[in-house]
Amino acid sequence: GENVEQHPSTLSVQEGDSAVIKCTYSDSASNYFPWYKQELGKRPQLIIDIRSNVGEKKDQRIAVTLNKTAKHFSLHITETQPEDSAVYFCAASIKGFDGYALNFGKGTSLLVTP
Amino acid sequence: EAQVTQNPRYLITVTGKKLTVTCSQNMNHEYMSWYRQDPGLGLRQIYYSMNVEVTDKGDVPEGYKVSRKEKRNFPLILESPSPNQTSLYFCASSYADEQYFGPGTRLTVT
Repeated sequence: GENVEQHPSTLSVQEGDSAVIKCTYSDSASNYFPWYKQELGKRPQLIIDIRSNVGEKKDQRIAVTLNKTAKHFSLHITETQPEDSAVYFCAASIKGFDGYALNFGKGTSLLVTP
Repeated sequence: EAQVTQNPRYLITVTGKKLTVTCSQNMNHEYMSWYRQDPGLGLRQIYYSMNVEVTDKGDVPEGYKVSRKEKRNFPLILESPSPNQTSLYFCASSYADEQYFGPGTRLTVT
């Protein structure tokens, strides 16, 4: 089955700096790569996603890049703010016609210090 | 309001006492799934369902059962809970892309 590795497990940055979280996947058939943010005590929520036919996607301060050849994708957060502090999960899946199974990385705990 | 609900939100029980965690969604999604979240292990899929009466095992199905008798509900059943099933459980549903997660159920088995 699909195996998703995520690094680093913890990341501490100063407010205003950039943060980068990297993930690799094993199944070359995977074609959908979402990123979820989980604040303390809350449910995971989708923040950005990318499909395998796109190399990069941006939404305001967050962006995701995908390298299909190397089978890795990354989350980039620019101009970090304290409210970006949370656990971030990457995931990979083979998108089917009626939903799909997400294989999650183990998560990155991001701390943004003022 | 589109949502996924879970009950109970918190549960403390004893080893061997059967329990059911309910999950319900009002978005008419066909795909539903259960995950458990443990520190350092991320989210691991327990079971999923592609449609009514269609369920399949995820990565960690041992000790769990599910049923999908109607589209909106996907209960998680622990026939004989053990302490290693102490965890935070999330139900999720989806139609196309985004998986919508329930609020979570924190289960402690003593």
